Amino acid sequence: GAGVSQTPSNKVTEKGKYVELRCDPISGHTALYWYRQSLGQGPEFLIYFQGTGAADDSGLPNDRFFAVRPEGSVSTLKIQRTERGDSAVYLCASSLMPVSGSHNEQFFGPGTRLTVL
Amino acid sequence: KQEVTQIPAALSVPEGENLVLNCSFTDSAIYNLQWFRQDPGKGLTSLLLIQSSQREQTSGRLNASLDKSSGRSTLYIAASQPGDSATYLCAVNTGNQFYFGTGTSLTVIP
Repeated sequence: GAGVSQTPSNKVTEKGKYVELRCDPISGHTALYWYRQSLGQGPEFLIYFQGTGAADDSGLPNDRFFAVRPEGSVSTLKIQRTERGDSAVYLCASSLMPVSGSHNEQFFGPGTRLTVL
Repeated sequence: KQEVTQIPAALSVPEGENLVLNCSFTDSAIYNLQWFRQDPGKGLTSLLLIQSSQREQTSGRLNASLDKSSGRSTLYIAASQPGDSATYLCAVNTGNQFYFGTGTSLTVIP
């Protein structure tokens, strides 16, 4: 079946603008994660959804960042009043539901490269 | 907070050589550890996942070990090939989060 897809693949915006990044997880995966990766670094956790609800949003850097998953499938990461420091690759991953607290193997999308000018 | 370190940051080996990549973590209270590879400009591809109760996992030429008490994991690649050239990342699952290392950039020279 299809893997995780993310759109757009590239997004260039101006400082202060609003952007939305979309993630389509693997069908049947109830867990969905957003990460941010800067050049030369490993991915940094942003938020984790179990179904429709954000089970852990402790990685969101500030209140300009928000994510939704209204029907428990597609998720949208929203960034308001973008800043140059938000420039990074935003990665989405999905997996099967955790079992006894242990999260399952994650499958990643290709990412969205966000550039804020 | 969990901290994950990968050494070396970069590694260059001739084709055919066996090699070991290292991953260490500061908090041993993990559920599992996952190894990924990342090709330039691409997302992450899952290689192996080891549960905290396991000591090792194997897939083809790859073997990953886990010593939870000492906070270490290794990824062993046998008979390396140029196609193995990529950045290798480890991630540990603590709570609801996966904490990633900064990766080891591997180059296999033909």
